[in-house]
Amino acid sequence: GEDVEQSLFLSVREGDSSVINCTYTDSSSTYLYWYKQEPGAGLQLLTYIFSNMDMKQDQRLTVLLNKKDKHLSLRIADTQTGDSAIYFCAEIGEYGNKLVFGAGTILRVKS
Amino acid sequence: GAVVSQHPSRVICKSGTSVKIECRSLDFQATTMFWYRQFPKQSLMLMATSNEGSKATYEQGVEKDKFLINHASLTLSTLTVTSAHPEDSSFYICSARRNRDSNQQYFGPGTRLTVT
Repeated sequence: GEDVEQSLFLSVREGDSSVINCTYTDSSSTYLYWYKQEPGAGLQLLTYIFSNMDMKQDQRLTVLLNKKDKHLSLRIADTQTGDSAIYFCAEIGEYGNKLVFGAGTILRVKS
Repeated sequence: GAVVSQHPSRVICKSGTSVKIECRSLDFQATTMFWYRQFPKQSLMLMATSNEGSKATYEQGVEKDKFLINHASLTLSTLTVTSAHPEDSSFYICSARRNRDSNQQYFGPGTRLTVT
């Protein structure tokens, strides 16, 4: 079945860039997503990318997709303490209804 | 925007009782709603997919008689945890999708269930 993997933890200093990586196995993925979850809260969609794109930029966020290697990354420029949260990578396949999530990356921003 | 609410946000119940969690799409109609369960420090696990007016589709390993899902209208889905046990304690999150062609799911804020 489909599988999505992420590194579990990332620590950066305030003002630095953060890069969170994700790999997936589903070659028929059509959309890939990044969600943010703050403690005790639901998921907030940060951004998504269609599988025929290789990059998408939205303010401080840059998503890079390497479809050949099935690798997705999220870069957060000028990371702030408010960016501390869990970040989930997710994908949805061509015929699928369901999102498949990675285990989440805990981002800790030190001031 | 596309806002999804859940009620209650937190609930504590005694073992053996049933608990109902509501998921509402506030400013759009959702043909499909999804129910997820999240264990501490883990990812979201899809429990079931519910389409308005039809029976929910449960994921493998999820007991349909224990987790009753009703999607009676285009803005409301309910999850009832029947005869709850302490191992049902978890964070339950719903999401809603506007229509079958939409690629986006909008998530609710989650419901923390504690069974004592």
